[in-house]
Amino acid sequence: EAQVTQNPRYLITVTGKKLTVTCSQNMNHEYMSWYRQDPGLGLRQIYYSMNVEVTDKGDVPEGYKVSRKEKRNFPLILESPSPNQTSLYFCASRGGISTDTQYFGPGTRLTVL
Amino acid sequence: AQSVAQPEDQVNVAEGNPLTVKCTYSVSGNPYLFWYVQYPNRGLQFLLKYITGDNLVKGSYGFEAEFNKSQTSFHLKKPSALVSDSALYFCAVRDFTGGGNKLTFGTGTQLKVEL
Repeated sequence: EAQVTQNPRYLITVTGKKLTVTCSQNMNHEYMSWYRQDPGLGLRQIYYSMNVEVTDKGDVPEGYKVSRKEKRNFPLILESPSPNQTSLYFCASRGGISTDTQYFGPGTRLTVL
Repeated sequence: AQSVAQPEDQVNVAEGNPLTVKCTYSVSGNPYLFWYVQYPNRGLQFLLKYITGDNLVKGSYGFEAEFNKSQTSFHLKKPSALVSDSALYFCAVRDFTGGGNKLTFGTGTQLKVEL
């Protein structure tokens, strides 16, 4: 089954404790991205990757890092989480620049105390 | 930059009645427009898209959307609503500005279909 998976689905942590949210897709997609969803703000892009070893900032990259060492994986790293990063996070992938439909993971709800 | 606006935070409809979820856009050039739906505790699912061609686009689950260039709108519609259509709906536009390649989303509209 074609899918985007994220882990963990729920995470409660404390300020300053480094964490990683994993994202994996099994569709051999080139393009992957991370979004955060906040009430009244919709989804905002954090980072995206056009292919392996090619990443770039989205609209709200501060406080986040990403890496793309393999085509299928695109982890989101919070080196020193802060309470304003409490949010619902989605990973998404798309086949390539000429394709339009994005496939979303189930989401990771992060709470930073 | 490209943007979309969803003027209604919530839309309430009785089951069996037609529904409309509104979206307006602001883009330079030709718009690439999308509708996604989010069910509780789930990721977003693609419903339909407008790239070019017919102004009436048909999508999944009986939904359709009407592209109106003069009104810069892309409203989502369904002739007969179901309780199972209750979900959060997002309008989005493909944004190529700054060399990027992303979807810019509206703030979402909560659709509630009641018996």
